[in-house]
Amino acid sequence: EAGVVQSPRYKIIEKKQPVAFWCNPISGHNTLYWYRQNLGQGPELLIRYENEEAVDDSQLPKDRFSAERLKGVDSTLKIQPAELGDSAVYLCAISPSGLFNEQFFGPGTRLTVL
Amino acid sequence: AQTVTQSQPEMSVQEAETVTLSCTYDTSESNYYLFWYKQPPSRQMILVIRQEAYKQQNATENRFSVNFQKAAKSFSLKISDSQLGDTAMYFCAFLSGYSTLTFGKGTMLLVSP
Repeated sequence: EAGVVQSPRYKIIEKKQPVAFWCNPISGHNTLYWYRQNLGQGPELLIRYENEEAVDDSQLPKDRFSAERLKGVDSTLKIQPAELGDSAVYLCAISPSGLFNEQFFGPGTRLTVL
Repeated sequence: AQTVTQSQPEMSVQEAETVTLSCTYDTSESNYYLFWYKQPPSRQMILVIRQEAYKQQNATENRFSVNFQKAAKSFSLKISDSQLGDTAMYFCAFLSGYSTLTFGKGTMLLVSP
């Protein structure tokens, strides 16, 4: 069964500081997603990877957000500098490549920007 | 673009009773999947049930079943014999082809003793 580890689980920073999140898939699923979930909302996609390649990053605010997935396994998402509006839960999910595949979510990182 | 609407921000039900959560969607796609995800207070999103648009038969998973009305673009979730552990946010989600999941805003379900 697929599993996703995310770290840290919680992060509190002051605005204008940088922050990084890590996603470590336990299984070898090829597709990896980063979502942002604002309070009281459903998750919204930030970026999708197929192996090492970012195939959909249209919703990623590229002026301050960056992501990478080296070797097509683990991934990091970075914000620099963070703004108050970035406070949210950042979710990582994985799925097998192909059509209509189930996504398996990690527990998320709750970011609070003060 | 697809949209998913969940019109019930909160629902309450007593243990052992049945509750139905509503979801409507809008799409021009002909083949797609619909999902219900559960997100307990610990925030791990878990798949509850999935439905392929081409299948007329409604999906069921133990106490969870759906009422899929393709023409009406409606996809409701019925939870029978509700349990305290069913307390969670429930998200309806849409997936077409190689695109990504589009989620609704969620319904908070509270199951009380």
